[in-house]
Amino acid sequence: DAGVTQSPTHLIKTRGQQVTLRCSPKSGHDTVSWYQQALGQGPQFIFQYYEEEERQRGNFPDRFSGHQFPNYSSELNVNALLLGDSALYLCASSLDGAGGPYEQYFGPGTRLTVT
Amino acid sequence: DQQVKQNSPSLSVQEGRISILNCDYTNSMFDYFLWYKKYPAEGPTFLISISSIKDKNEDGRFTVFLNKSAKHLSLHIVPSQPGDSAVYFCAASATGNQFYFGTGTSLTVIP
Repeated sequence: DAGVTQSPTHLIKTRGQQVTLRCSPKSGHDTVSWYQQALGQGPQFIFQYYEEEERQRGNFPDRFSGHQFPNYSSELNVNALLLGDSALYLCASSLDGAGGPYEQYFGPGTRLTVT
Repeated sequence: DQQVKQNSPSLSVQEGRISILNCDYTNSMFDYFLWYKKYPAEGPTFLISISSIKDKNEDGRFTVFLNKSAKHLSLHIVPSQPGDSAVYFCAASATGNQFYFGTGTSLTVIP
């Protein structure tokens, strides 16, 4: 049973460019959340996708957008990259409604460096 | 605005002794709390959770205690093992959808 997978593992971009990160959820999961983890910090919630819609969003600008596909996989897009966007981007999947608040399973993350 | 705080960046414990990791929160609407463990180059791994209707939850060597009046939770690991060395994050949620994480505590268990 494959867990949460993310691609690519590492990425280097230049300021002003755009980036797309990808996530495949754990088998049987239908909800995907994205987090940004800056160095020395805890993960910060970006947004969550369920039924191909953004269900909840954290305190991130519109430069951060996402998408969920019918197979539940998801993409995170960041436009007009800033140096401060350099971080580890984590994807977490879960099963909606599984007995109330549910545990999220995290992928290994994508390390984005903006130069 | 850090709603979940872990004030100890690091903790060292001898193998076999108890490890106690602490977490404080400010939002009284939080009703579900989790602890995650993270090894380098891996994503966080779920460890244990607790609902606000309980004050204690136990799973093997791991016990989480919740003190709602103090807005404080703690994770006890007994006995501590070298394989427990990792960064531990606490997280809290009011909706079950958006989780707020602390900054983590790096635990080192000394053989």
